[in-house]
Amino acid sequence: QVQLVQSGAEVRKPGASVKVSCKASGYTFTSYYMHWVRQAPGQGLEWMGILNPSGGSTSYAQKFQGRVTMTRDTSTSTVYMELSSLTSEDTAVYYCARDRDGGTLDIWGLGTMVTVSS
Amino acid sequence: EIVLTQSPGTLSLSPGERATLSCRASQSVSSSYLAWYQQKPGQAPRLLIYGAFSRATGIPDRFSGSGSGTDFTLTISRLEPEDFAVYYCQQYGSSTGTFGPGTKVDIK
Repeated sequence: QVQLVQSGAEVRKPGASVKVSCKASGYTFTSYYMHWVRQAPGQGLEWMGILNPSGGSTSYAQKFQGRVTMTRDTSTSTVYMELSSLTSEDTAVYYCARDRDGGTLDIWGLGTMVTVSS
Repeated sequence: EIVLTQSPGTLSLSPGERATLSCRASQSVSSSYLAWYQQKPGQAPRLLIYGAFSRATGIPDRFSGSGSGTDFTLTISRLEPEDFAVYYCQQYGSSTGTFGPGTKVDIK
């Protein structure tokens, strides 16, 4: 079945970086764009950016420009999201989600909790 | 960046009642790129409606979407106990996506 399996929870200190992975299975990896969305505790959903697994091109939300990098490894059908210069405001659950078409997110990972604390 | 506003913030209803959720955009959104999601506590969001009107696979027909331009609506015709959750609208255009702040549907 189609699924996205994300890496486990992470704890980082302020100023550090974190890299979250999302392994896709059950479909042709390079045929669907992938988005990253985050959700701070008790808050709403926040769109971070999109990656084309075929060519590797990306587009990031302006808020995260310069601080986020999305990459992929086609040999393992895995996408990665790295966020640098972390602050406590980056404490959130980070989701990867497949784009079925036109920005519609049809398959979601279970999320990765990232906690930033000194 | 297109800003999405959802109303009401919270909707308190009883099972069997009709729920009408609103999503308003700061500028026109292509209907093709407007979606609705349901999220329950501790779970990832689930796609309900895409292209403003189309139900995703496995979504019951009590869920329906409508609207165009800057005003979109999600309607739940008769609330079932499992429908009490938070609902988000989302748009995607010009390589940028945004979500609305969500509407919580809780039990009255």
